[in-house]
Amino acid sequence: NAGVTQTPKFRVLKTGQSMTLLCAQDMNHEYMYWYRQDPGMGLRLIHYSVGEGTTAKGEVPDGYNVSRLKKQNFLLGLESAAPSQTSVYFCASGKDRDQPRNEKLFFGSGTQLSVL
Amino acid sequence: RKEVEQDPGPFNVPEGATVAFNCTYSNSASQSFFWYRQDCRKEPKLLMSVYSSGNEDGRFTAQLNRASQYISLLIRDSKLSDSATYLCVVNSFNTNAGKSTFGDGTTLTVKP
Repeated sequence: NAGVTQTPKFRVLKTGQSMTLLCAQDMNHEYMYWYRQDPGMGLRLIHYSVGEGTTAKGEVPDGYNVSRLKKQNFLLGLESAAPSQTSVYFCASGKDRDQPRNEKLFFGSGTQLSVL
Repeated sequence: RKEVEQDPGPFNVPEGATVAFNCTYSNSASQSFFWYRQDCRKEPKLLMSVYSSGNEDGRFTAQLNRASQYISLLIRDSKLSDSATYLCVVNSFNTNAGKSTFGDGTTLTVKP
């Protein structure tokens, strides 16, 4: 049971380049989330998904797209990276159908992204 | 005003001290509450849930006051290993989505 796995762990992009961050969970969780965390700040929700095939915007969705084609995977895409997107990105999952009141979040280890 | 606000900190305390963190939330429809711990450059990890009646886990005690929309975390007999950032998390739900809102965190440093 690996929990939540994020790839890659580090990435450096040039302005305008694109990339996709992959999040995978093996806990059969319904909900998955992408957050970003900037220095000295809390986590801000980018996008989230309440189930396979569904996505929704969070607090700071601009410049990002997501897809949840399979229940276990949640992809975060940057179509044209900007320096303002330099941050640490965390994926999280939570809430499985067997334990609907279990609202704890489990996080991946994070991706450090730098956009030059 | 932020949805979830925490004491800005930092808190610097000696080993063995008792320290308390506060958190307020603005959404009166919030339904569940948590404290997470985040070590430097690591992912947040759940420390404990917060229940209306208050709950304790070893040296850690969490309290919830729904009327005042206020959450607290008390750490007794601080250890060096308690040094971390503590995040207050509030969950709210609409018709079909769950959403966790994080506070900016309070940093604790426990010194020998």
